[in-house]
Amino acid sequence: DAGITQSPRHKVTETGTPVTLRCHQTENHRYMYWYRQDPGHGLRLIHYSYGVKDTDKGEVSDGYSVSRSKTEDFLLTLESATSSQTSVYFCAISVSNLTGELFFGEGSRLTVL
Amino acid sequence: GEDVEQSLFLSVREGDSSVINCTYTDSSSTYLYWYKQEPGAGLQLLTYIFSNMDMKQDQRLTVLLNKKDKHLSLRIADTQTGDSAIYFCAVANTNAGKSTFGDGTTLTVKP
Repeated sequence: DAGITQSPRHKVTETGTPVTLRCHQTENHRYMYWYRQDPGHGLRLIHYSYGVKDTDKGEVSDGYSVSRSKTEDFLLTLESATSSQTSVYFCAISVSNLTGELFFGEGSRLTVL
Repeated sequence: GEDVEQSLFLSVREGDSSVINCTYTDSSSTYLYWYKQEPGAGLQLLTYIFSNMDMKQDQRLTVLLNKKDKHLSLRIADTQTGDSAIYFCAVANTNAGKSTFGDGTTLTVKP
């Protein structure tokens, strides 16, 4: 079974500070995603990766950057956090070439004061 | 871009059937999914359907797809209190997993 570990699971930070969220998968799935979940907005795609060093923007990428130097790790960075980035962040991997279904991590709750 | 819409809330009695509806805008959507999210957890796939199918049944779950109306529904038979959760509709036009999600329907099951 696919396994995803997100860290940290909870973080409180101040406006203007940098924040990095990490997503680690235990298998070698090619596609990895970062979504944010906000009340009234469902899940919105921030960035995704289709391989090592291959990333692309999603619908809400402003203020975020990503990196993928190894297959198993996908990092999401907020260079200068703002209160509008308070959210729950989910990492996901695509686990089936047949169905394209996503397997999600447990989420990282970020509060920007 | 793609837009996916769901009603926000549904309340049913235990033992009744629940029907959660979803509409989408992109007619090229090929992969359609239902995910379930329990409190404090990530989403987990419940079931999926391909666009060349009209219906899929999986135990208590029945998915209906009306491509003409771009309408997807999830029926849960004999709904139990453990089915209380948020249900998300999602669609994609490739198998690369880049899905667009609805806002989720909160299902409350009353004893």
